[in-house]
Amino acid sequence: KNEVEQSPQNLTAQEGEFITINCSYSVGISALHWLQQHPGGGIVSLFMLSSGKKKHGRLIATINIQEKHSSLHITASHPRDSAVYICAVRLYNNNDMRFGAGTRLTVKP
Amino acid sequence: NAGVTQTPKFRILKIGQSMTLQCTQDMNHNYMYWYRQDPGMGLKLIYYSVGAGITDKGEVPNGYNVSRSTTEDFPLRLELAAPSQTSVYFCASSVQGSYYEQYFGPGTRLTVT
Repeated sequence: KNEVEQSPQNLTAQEGEFITINCSYSVGISALHWLQQHPGGGIVSLFMLSSGKKKHGRLIATINIQEKHSSLHITASHPRDSAVYICAVRLYNNNDMRFGAGTRLTVKP
Repeated sequence: NAGVTQTPKFRILKIGQSMTLQCTQDMNHNYMYWYRQDPGMGLKLIYYSVGAGITDKGEVPNGYNVSRSTTEDFPLRLELAAPSQTSVYFCASSVQGSYYEQYFGPGTRLTVT
């Protein structure tokens, strides 16, 4: 079993829909990252979380440390949000990282 | 600032050949990382460095070597390339460790045949 599991693997939405991507992990962590990988392959960091909730524009990320679970929400989705979203955790007391396999999001106009 | 740059963008190697993937950042970041991304799989950490002269292994270090002689540069060396090393390689940097976002380079697509 992977240490970081994401769901769903693939997600297709209509423009304007509310999107939720989930990430569960089974290891002790010091931080959790959400990344966006564009269709061309480039990777951008969206959020770094160690507790609570963060918001940036239409994106919201939450983490529940006790339940070892994080969610990424996209409000009012747009075709330009189409990308692969990756959850990554930094292992506790260590600089090693573990990554989920990614969620491929397609937003149709 | 150019951010994180990687060269080359693409490379085809024959089995047994060696090569160095270059990574440079101009943000004065202390931490640098090398990842590989296999088709349909998640990223995996190969090596990381917390500062000049200090490197450490990640999840999948076998078949690779790194050095960090300057803050800016973090080259990844492949010795005796194998088909299993066919992948896309990403370099990244961050100011410090856990609580700072990482900035990624554009990637190097390597094929070993």
